[in-house]
Amino acid sequence: DIQMTQSPASLSASLGETVTIECRASEDIYSNLAWYQQKPGNSPQLLIYDANSLADGVPSRFSGSGSGTQYSLKINSLQSEDVASYFCQQYNNYPYTFGAGTKLELK
Amino acid sequence: EVQLVESGGGLVQPGASLKLSCVASGFTFSDYWMSWVRQTPGKTMEWIGDIKYDGSYTNYAPSLKNRFTISRDNAKSTLYLQMSNVRSEDTATYYCTSGAGIYWGQGVMVTVSS
Repeated sequence: DIQMTQSPASLSASLGETVTIECRASEDIYSNLAWYQQKPGNSPQLLIYDANSLADGVPSRFSGSGSGTQYSLKINSLQSEDVASYFCQQYNNYPYTFGAGTKLELK
Repeated sequence: EVQLVESGGGLVQPGASLKLSCVASGFTFSDYWMSWVRQTPGKTMEWIGDIKYDGSYTNYAPSLKNRFTISRDNAKSTLYLQMSNVRSEDTATYYCTSGAGIYWGQGVMVTVSS
């Protein structure tokens, strides 16, 4: 199985700040990576697919980048509604695997 | 409006069987691979498996393959997860999702306890 190492596990940031969350795969996943946002009590929502493509309806302050084994999610100008947990998921190889998640809070 | 509505969860005893359902609406269900994903009480996400749009092919997480079966009925726009010989570690919220992760259900809780 491909292991997805996500960091940090938790993050505290101020409104307007830029935050970055990282995911490292145990092998090359050829940009077959998605990022999800999960607000408390809700289901996950797709933010980014194919490592850098923004899903429909997702604000442009969210962006994804990376290749090979290293990927990142960046949130520009943090808003209060961005308080959530974020997960990466690789879909290059079965079984598809998730990172452990990052809990983002406001400072 | 796209909807995925899971049902069939609840409290179940260890060793029992349980079948979850997920009814889809608002999109052409038969065009999509579909998946089941679960989230433990500690918030760990685990991919369970997926099924091809015509039901002809399935993939599973190796650790679950012998106990979980995914099926679908395109005429009813319904996805199923048959769980057998459940264990305490199967306690989780179970989500159905379109294969590309675009659509997610609200989730259904399964608690395995005696």
